[in-house]
Amino acid sequence: GQSLEQPSEVTAVEGAIVQINCTYQTSGFYGLSWYQQHDGGAPTFLSYNALDGLEETGRFSSFLSRSDSYGYLLLQELQMKDSASYFCAVRDLAGANNLFFGTGTRLTVIP
Amino acid sequence: DGGITQSPKYLFRKEGQNVTLSCEQNLNHDAMYWYRQDPGQGLRLIYYSQIVNDFQKGDIAEGYSVSREKKESFPLTVTSAQKNPTAFYLCASSIEDSLNSPLHFGNGTRLTVT
Repeated sequence: GQSLEQPSEVTAVEGAIVQINCTYQTSGFYGLSWYQQHDGGAPTFLSYNALDGLEETGRFSSFLSRSDSYGYLLLQELQMKDSASYFCAVRDLAGANNLFFGTGTRLTVIP
Repeated sequence: DGGITQSPKYLFRKEGQNVTLSCEQNLNHDAMYWYRQDPGQGLRLIYYSQIVNDFQKGDIAEGYSVSREKKESFPLTVTSAQKNPTAFYLCASSIEDSLNSPLHFGNGTRLTVT
């Protein structure tokens, strides 16, 4: 089986930096993905880490440590439009070929 | 513009009725998926299909059925056997069902059964 843990809510100030953590347990690990979802909308892909280290894409970065079964999403220069839910996800090929999602972190950016 | 179209956005049904949710994609993707999302929970996989005329059950397939007669279409039927059908349903597709192929999601259908 697999499990993912994320904080349920995070609040940060516009212009600041915020880190959203994700710890996982899977019987087989094939990379950690991050998705963003605005209220009532479609999740959109942000990043994928298969190897340890930091991947940077503009204001967003994602980090993975396979030895610690841990990753995080780092959002810099926060904007009001970054208010959304953020999901980490892993594939576990021990079961169905399934992208297994965490319960999500609701980020609120305040002025 | 390519994308995934789910219709309708809101759907209301009486308990005991079957209902079919539409999902169409023009991205030429081979793999398609159906997820269910409940408040405060992540997305849970209902069914997925890697090629036409083939599909597999996900983690919560009971009470649901699908078909994949065309590459572009992957409709989901919520049957009367589904005990708690009220939820937000998301359809997705990917280029292939590989480890790092990102999912592209539709805007979802919010189903309410009373």
